Amino acid sequence: VQLVESGGGVLQPGRSLRLSCAASGFTFGTYAMHWVRQAPGKGLDWVALISSDGSNNYYADSVKGRFTISRDNSKNTLFLQMNSLRADDTAIYYCARAGVRGVYRDSWGQGTLVTVSS
Amino acid sequence: QSALTQPASVSGSPGQSITISCTGTSSDIGTYNYVSWYQQHPGKAPKLMIYDVTDRPSGVSNRFSGSKSGNTASLTVSGLQAEDEADYYCSSYTSSNTFVFGTGTKVTVL
Repeated sequence: VQLVESGGGVLQPGRSLRLSCAASGFTFGTYAMHWVRQAPGKGLDWVALISSDGSNNYYADSVKGRFTISRDNSKNTLFLQMNSLRADDTAIYYCARAGVRGVYRDSWGQGTLVTVSS
Repeated sequence: QSALTQPASVSGSPGQSITISCTGTSSDIGTYNYVSWYQQHPGKAPKLMIYDVTDRPSGVSNRFSGSKSGNTASLTVSGLQAEDEADYYCSSYTSSNTFVFGTGTKVTVL
């Protein structure tokens, strides 16, 4: 199993960014996927979950209405569209494969850093 | 959804056992057997250690075990080793169809 995030960077508050997570080594289209973030020096913070076929999405209250999780199973890729970014969205963003029933994360990428600063 | 409560730090000598608690509410840990635990070394991605309260993924040492009573879950590390020094996080599914992590515990091997 390999998960490789990309798309992070430095940007100003209010701007948008799309993160990608390229998956390999497993049948991507049969697994739900999570995004989890970690602010510098802080703990883990769950962001979003998408079902294996993309038909169901769930979000943390802190990002609902601003972030959108999606996937392209034909390209084995997971996405996180982040709009109206705020300083408190600054974090390393990890994609993670969901285990059975989607209620835990059994494989993680190395993360991509998003810094929101004026 | 507030973070689950963990002690900030736990320490033990090599060979000893330590237990990390994770306290939630009746809306998460108290209702669902969907508690998982993650180990994170500095600068590294988290690693799944326990899922569904008590189950261990293939490849994880049997020195790691999980349990739950009421609104509190626990992770026990027996036969503490230097390589166990890391941050540990619990996580639970919630009644809002979301997930919550714990505040994190730094384990120090003396």
